[in-house]
Amino acid sequence: GIQVEQSPPDLILQEGANSTLRCNFSDSVNNLQWFHQNPWGQLINLFYIPSGTKQNGRLSATTVATERYSLLYISSSQTTDSGVYFCAVDPSGANSKLTFGKGITLSVRP
Amino acid sequence: SQTIHQWPATLVQPVGSPLSLECTVEGTSNPNLYWYRQAAGRGLQLLFYSVGIGQISSEVPQNLSASRPQDRQFILSSKKLLLSDSGFYLCAWSTAGPRLEQYFGPGTRLTVT
Repeated sequence: GIQVEQSPPDLILQEGANSTLRCNFSDSVNNLQWFHQNPWGQLINLFYIPSGTKQNGRLSATTVATERYSLLYISSSQTTDSGVYFCAVDPSGANSKLTFGKGITLSVRP
Repeated sequence: SQTIHQWPATLVQPVGSPLSLECTVEGTSNPNLYWYRQAAGRGLQLLFYSVGIGQISSEVPQNLSASRPQDRQFILSSKKLLLSDSGFYLCAWSTAGPRLEQYFGPGTRLTVT
């Protein structure tokens, strides 16, 4: 099946810093999502981005489907950005389910 | 707008006891429904998914089962819990069709003692 690799596995930032989180996938995909799991466990949708670039406030994401990767940018990080960031993909030709990466644990220090 | 509910929020059960976790979705019809488990500090493991009433696909063999008695209701069950069943259980939904955008419920934290 498709492989989804996220890097780096862990990231520690000082408040106000910028960061880039990466998601590589091994095959073509129909869909790609980024999620943020906050310290209370809630999984929050950040972006649905099978291709192209989107921005939402301090966060933006870019997916280059032909090169099989996606990037999540966090600018001016805040302590509330802490948590785990998951990338998930729906392989082309597969039905109905997402394959998740192992996640990137982000800690933003005040 | 669509909302997804899970209950209970937390649960402590002894080994060997039964389990029933419920998930319901509002504001959409014929959703795809999913159960995931997350062990402490680990990633998400897909347990079951359903594309319609009575249609259940199992991803991981285990002592858990799932049922979908109504269009927007998804139930996770066990007849006898094991210690290894402890974890954070998340229900999710997506629309049917090519745009597979998933939305997660708040989760149930299960501790088996």
